[in-house]
Amino acid sequence: NAGVTQTPKFRILKIGQSMTLQCTQDMNHNYMYWYRQDPGMGLKLIYYSVGAGITDKGEVPNGYNVSRSTTEDFPLRLELAAPSQTSVYFCASRKQGVGNTIYFGEGSWLTVV
Amino acid sequence: GQQVMQIPQYQHVQEGEDFTTYCNSSTTLSNIQWYKQRPGGHPVFLIQLVKSGEVKKQKRLTFQFGEAKKNSSLHITATQTTDVGTYFCARTTDKFIFGTGTRLQVFP
Repeated sequence: NAGVTQTPKFRILKIGQSMTLQCTQDMNHNYMYWYRQDPGMGLKLIYYSVGAGITDKGEVPNGYNVSRSTTEDFPLRLELAAPSQTSVYFCASRKQGVGNTIYFGEGSWLTVV
Repeated sequence: GQQVMQIPQYQHVQEGEDFTTYCNSSTTLSNIQWYKQRPGGHPVFLIQLVKSGEVKKQKRLTFQFGEAKKNSSLHITATQTTDVGTYFCARTTDKFIFGTGTRLQVFP
């Protein structure tokens, strides 16, 4: 039972570098999400998608880009990494419909130095 | 904005003491969900509340949904060290916004 799979689990980036966090789910969920969680803090929504080809901004989208070409995949792109993007990133998915539970990946720990 | 605030931000208790976290929304909620995140882990679903004034129990955990459906609470009776973690409420619109969270530390 794979669920939501994120890669990489850990990454160190230099300031100004770019990278893509990969996320895939095998539950045929329409909705997918990217959150970031700074140390000791809550979950902030970066971007979300309600289906293939549709993405929308969350609470903290600046410095990130997403795409959703398939139902299964929802990669998060960091352009020109900054120390403020040091965080744990969680991908999540759920079925369409009010009240459906959201399922998280294990998280990706990113440090920008 | 669609803010969901939780208080307190942190709570340290002695094992066996009770614990309560409160969740307040700036807008009326159709339903609310609660999640628990263990240290180093990811959030995991606990429960969903739908009806105004609803109360649900899971062993030592009691969840309430306010009459106006703008607030909710989670109460843990006689905390144990296994209760350590951060508890989040969440408004389940398309955006799925999480509350600010309450971190619980339990001392043996």
